[in-house]
Amino acid sequence: ETGVTQSPTHLIKTRGQQVTLRCSSQSGHNTVSWYQQALGQGPQFIFQYYREEENGRGNFPPRFSGLQFPNYSSELNVNALELDDSALYLCASSFGREEKLLFGSGTQLSVL
Amino acid sequence: DQQVKQNSPSLSVQEGRISILNCDYTNSMFDYFLWYKKYPAEGPTFLISISSIKDKNEDGRFTVFLNKSAKHLSLHIVPSQPGDSAVYFCAASDVDSGYALNFGKGTSLLVTP
Repeated sequence: ETGVTQSPTHLIKTRGQQVTLRCSSQSGHNTVSWYQQALGQGPQFIFQYYREEENGRGNFPPRFSGLQFPNYSSELNVNALELDDSALYLCASSFGREEKLLFGSGTQLSVL
Repeated sequence: DQQVKQNSPSLSVQEGRISILNCDYTNSMFDYFLWYKKYPAEGPTFLISISSIKDKNEDGRFTVFLNKSAKHLSLHIVPSQPGDSAVYFCAASDVDSGYALNFGKGTSLLVTP
């Protein structure tokens, strides 16, 4: 089992910048979901990709966008960073659209 | 608005005793419920789940109870072990939301020797 790997583990950006976070899914998994976990909160659903198409989206503005590649790896892009975007970003993969997700360790993003 | 609520931010239990973690939800459309466990510097890991057609699911030391009329579920850990010390998240989903998980804020469990 390869697990879900995310990069980088930590990132510091300034307000207004753009950031790209990367995720490599568990081998054999074709669905990837992204979650934002702010300090003291539970993870919040950003969006999900299934077979390279966005399959669902949470209450996040369009400046949060994503991609899923043919090898099922994924990117989360955030434009025009705001201070409130500071959070742990979690990627999770699954086979098909199901709730039992396999999470990566996350990318801790700090926006100054 | 928070549709899944875990009202106890922390819980301390002695080793060998029962740990009971509680979760309430407001959305009656939720039909699948899960518990995830999270250690520091790691992502959440799936622990146990229950469908809305059941009221109990057991897996070893872990049992989840669902009370649909009260919109309440609980996780029982018996016996508790020091390695169970972690943050526990309750999550819920419904088919219409595309399997997106709605998480509570978590309960930090400390099991003392």
